[in-house]
Amino acid sequence: GAVVSQHPSRVICKSGTSVKIECRSLDFQATTMFWYRQFPKQSLMLMATSNEGSKATYEQGVEKDKFLINHASLTLSTLTVTSAHPEDSSFYICSARTGAGNTIYFGEGSWLTVV
Amino acid sequence: QKEVEQDPGPLSVPEGAIVSLNCTYSNSAFQYFMWYRQYSRKGPELLMYTYSSGNKEDGRFTAQVDKSSKYISLFIRDSQPSDSATYLCAMSIGNQFYFGTGTSLTVIP
Repeated sequence: GAVVSQHPSRVICKSGTSVKIECRSLDFQATTMFWYRQFPKQSLMLMATSNEGSKATYEQGVEKDKFLINHASLTLSTLTVTSAHPEDSSFYICSARTGAGNTIYFGEGSWLTVV
Repeated sequence: QKEVEQDPGPLSVPEGAIVSLNCTYSNSAFQYFMWYRQYSRKGPELLMYTYSSGNKEDGRFTAQVDKSSKYISLFIRDSQPSDSATYLCAMSIGNQFYFGTGTSLTVIP
């Protein structure tokens, strides 16, 4: 299957700082990438959908100024958590869809801890 | 009503058992149906993908779709302890993907 790489897998940052998470499709071009947040023992919560070269579409309740998403190329999308607070600590997962594909492939996820 | 309903379990079975995981959905426009496996603290991994009613088999896994009943299933034969994970069903229309809440499965040696 297609490979999606997410980096870093774990990050600890201080409250008030910003942290960037990268999502790369390694063997296909991803016209659409999705960012999710997942709390322990809960399902995936879609945060935003990003299409290459255009602004991301955020789900209701997700602060677009806090969670900056950039999809500058067909293989890379980034999520930047700005001015992070402890309540932002969570598991963030990206997924990518090919242009012709009808399914999505997930990255390994990134654990963010804000201290 | 949620778009996709999935029993969260937990489900516990002995090694070698046949496991049946199920999801129901409300939107008849869903076109594609997927099952993902998620190990603890990892991203979901695509297991099966299908778009038509009927069965699709891949090794020990069989995905079943019944569009008339709006019901999908994943069967795992000869279950192994390594199958212990959370299984997510998913369905899509165009660029929109809808996920079940996941069923936690434990296979006991």
